This record gives sequence, C-alpha cells and structure tokens, in this order.
Amino acid sequence: DTEVTQTPKHLVMGMTNKKSLKCEQHMGHRAMYWYKQKAKKPPELMFVYSYEKLSINESVPSRFSPECPNSSLLNLHLHALQPEDSALYLCASSPLRGGTYNEQFFGPGTRLTVL
Amino acid sequence: QKEVEQNSGPLSVPEGAIASLNCTYSDRVSQSFFWYRQYSGKSPELIMSIYSNGDKEDGRFTAQLNKASQYVSLLIRDSQPSDSATYLCAVPSLQNNTNAGKSTFGDGTTLTVKP
Repeated sequence: DTEVTQTPKHLVMGMTNKKSLKCEQHMGHRAMYWYKQKAKKPPELMFVYSYEKLSINESVPSRFSPECPNSSLLNLHLHALQPEDSALYLCASSPLRGGTYNEQFFGPGTRLTVL
Repeated sequence: QKEVEQNSGPLSVPEGAIASLNCTYSDRVSQSFFWYRQYSGKSPELIMSIYSNGDKEDGRFTAQLNKASQYVSLLIRDSQPSDSATYLCAVPSLQNNTNAGKSTFGDGTTLTVKP
C-alpha cells in the first residue's frame, strides 16, 4: 500500500463547529505532516510528527490541534475556525532513513470551507 | 532572498518540446532536492528526487543538480499536454547538520503544454 488517505474530501463548517480531519498511511513511514495550501500558493507547513511525537509546530493558532494516535494515523482537530482558514489541508508522510527526512507522499487533501 | 526560488512562470511550451524548470536555493549545506507535480485542484505528487551533483533521468524527466551553483533543474522532454501542471521544488531544511523535518517549497512554476 503506497497511499496516504484523507477523510473527508470536502468539509463545510461554521465558525462555532468542532470537526476533525483524518489521515492514514500504511507505508511504515515514521514522519507525518499537516500542511495548509491556499490557491496558487505552495503548501505551508503546520505540524510535523516524528515517531508519533510532535516535533515541529509552525506557530499554528490553537484552534488547530493535531493528534497522532499511532504510527499510521494523524488527526487534525478543528475548533472555532475563521473564514480565512478555508483552504486545502494536506497530510503527508515520509520515511526516516538514517535519521534523515526524505521524500514526502501527500494525501489527496481535504477541501475545507469555513462559513 | 527567498530560501527556495523558482522561475516565476507561467511557462508555455508546444507539445513535443523540452520544458525547463529551474530552482535555486540559499542553504549551501542542503543535501536533498525534490520535484513535485501538482495538477489544479489536486495534491502534490513526487516525481523526482536528486541527492548528488549531475543528472538523474527517469523516463522523460531529467533532474540536474549543481551544488556549487546551488541550482537544481527539471527537464521534461517530449512535453505532453498532460504535463500541464504546477511544478514545485522542495528542499529539506537542516538544523545542526541534521534534517529537521521541514521542507521549504518554492512558489512553483506553472507549465502549460499546448497541443
């Protein structure tokens, strides 16, 4: 299995809602990432998990809360979002070889709209 | 100066021509370099990785790396309309000579191949 899956594909939520994005990979990768991507911009790193521990938080607002329940799963919990948070949310994973982060494999993304 | 810079584009080539995409990076100690292709509305897909100076070929794609000039390029031979996409150059960041798990993406170059 060489895929990263993400659910849901689309999500519309109000500013008072709580929702979660889910990501799964079965490639045995020990690094997993959340990115946010706006139209015509490159992916913007939000969080990195290495060996199920949060290793990088790019000063993301607390209304985004990541969770890594095990080596295959990554969640992003959303609460009290703003309309400007509307974007494509991408999950990625990569192998850790020799302590080095390597190529990343992206999931299809969740298109989030905040009303 | 941006950490990773790509030709601003858009780049338009006729079908069958060679498309040349360029990327320069600022961190002299960078060790690995990745090219991703992103179709409109889709997620990035890894197409090439390169670690050593010189050329690396994979089908119609050739990546070229020159660490002395801090330059990496992607050549697409016999361009097809299906190659029309945005191409992202990514360079993992290093901290204390180890990969910190954070890749810096260029802004991307949008390629259009005209039939």
